[in-house]
Amino acid sequence: DAKTTQPTSMDCAEGRAANLPCNHSTISGNEYVYWYRQIHSQGPQYIIHGLKNNETNEMASLIITEDRKSSTLILPHATLRDTAVYYCIVREDTPLVFGKGTRLSVIA
Amino acid sequence: EAGVAQSPRYKIIEKRQSVAFWCNPISGHATLYWYQQILGQGPKLLIQFQNNGVVDDSQLPKDRFSAERLKGVDSTLKIQPAKLEDSAVYLCASSLAGGGPYQSSYNEQFFGPGTRLTVL
Repeated sequence: DAKTTQPTSMDCAEGRAANLPCNHSTISGNEYVYWYRQIHSQGPQYIIHGLKNNETNEMASLIITEDRKSSTLILPHATLRDTAVYYCIVREDTPLVFGKGTRLSVIA
Repeated sequence: EAGVAQSPRYKIIEKRQSVAFWCNPISGHATLYWYQQILGQGPKLLIQFQNNGVVDDSQLPKDRFSAERLKGVDSTLKIQPAKLEDSAVYLCASSLAGGGPYQSSYNEQFFGPGTRLTVL
């Protein structure tokens, strides 16, 4: 079973920041937080991961709370192509376990 | 760089028939994964190979599913006989190496486009 809780769906206006929350209250000290997304009819795509510090790459930023029980994925300027299902996964040295994710709809 | 290749993209069969899917991972990737994704759910790992050896097949229904990666490169997943509940997208993924998350470039999984199986 997935160790994370995410909202089922969210909407975001094009050009605005999309903030996708994830709760992982049972995360252990060595587990990382991973984010993948899956655009319709495609396989999942890696976005970002982190342990406890905030992380940023060309796709997104990951903000992890100090107690590590929750995190937020930020897409700074959402475009229509960011419409997808976003999966938050916690893992250490174990297979990826995908939940149902958050369906993000970016609206023009 | 070429991505993970899968074929066929779509397959329709009747229950109790057999079907096989093929995956060619990214060149040089030692680890290969097969996932099953039922409509409305996230992908579920079926089997993980490290080179040509099985690392994890705990969720593979071994009475009807089999997979092989004989030369440590491409892989086939077979279902025999198929059931209605096997209707799903079968995704193949590869990574440079398996194991822990400490080196993201080594453990990022790259997914293929999947094979959509419909069992009638």
